[in-house]
Amino acid sequence: DAGVIQSPRHEVTEMGQEVTLRCKPISGHDYLFWYRQTMMRGLELLIYFNNNVPIDDSGMPEDRFSAKMPNASFSTLKIQPSEPRDSAVYFCASSNPSNTQYFGPGTRLTVL
Amino acid sequence: QKEVEQNSGPLSVPEGAIASLNCTYSDRGSQSFFWYRQYSGKSPELIMFIYSNGDKEDGRFTAQLNKASQYVSLLIRDSQPSDSATYLCAVTSAGGTSYGKLTFGQGTILTVHP
Repeated sequence: DAGVIQSPRHEVTEMGQEVTLRCKPISGHDYLFWYRQTMMRGLELLIYFNNNVPIDDSGMPEDRFSAKMPNASFSTLKIQPSEPRDSAVYFCASSNPSNTQYFGPGTRLTVL
Repeated sequence: QKEVEQNSGPLSVPEGAIASLNCTYSDRGSQSFFWYRQYSGKSPELIMFIYSNGDKEDGRFTAQLNKASQYVSLLIRDSQPSDSATYLCAVTSAGGTSYGKLTFGQGTILTVHP
């Protein structure tokens, strides 16, 4: 299996622009998670899905953030408009019912 | 009080020594416990998981769980410089609508020096 796939790996954008991060989970995993990691706040859960349905979005910082999972093999995290404080590494992870989560390589986002 | 607490370190041990990493959690209903290793600039990778009280060994790694004390630890025997990384403790929520969700600690930075 190829593991969790994320794109792009690096994104540099200017404040106010829309950013879309993409994730393909491991086939057969029915949970998908979006995390953000910064030095100050560590690894934070933003939102997670079960069988393509959002279960808990309490970690989404504000309305500028949105996430979708249109099918079992694809999810997006969108930030519109982006701000410099959104600069972080964004990880996608997927898991099977055993709760063992496997992380993608991450997207390093820089908002200028 | 944070839900999952770890000493941030850095923890520095000489090569060949035992490294001991500790984690406490606040949710008494937590059922599954995970240790992840994260190298600088990389994503977290799973090292071990443990569900039952006691010890679980996998090669040079031993996870220890004490649910009564709400404490989980990771021992690394014969530490190598390649073990230098940040170690993240993660705990599942008790269930219900939070099933499947992991809560991570802030991580402990381990440095193994030759």
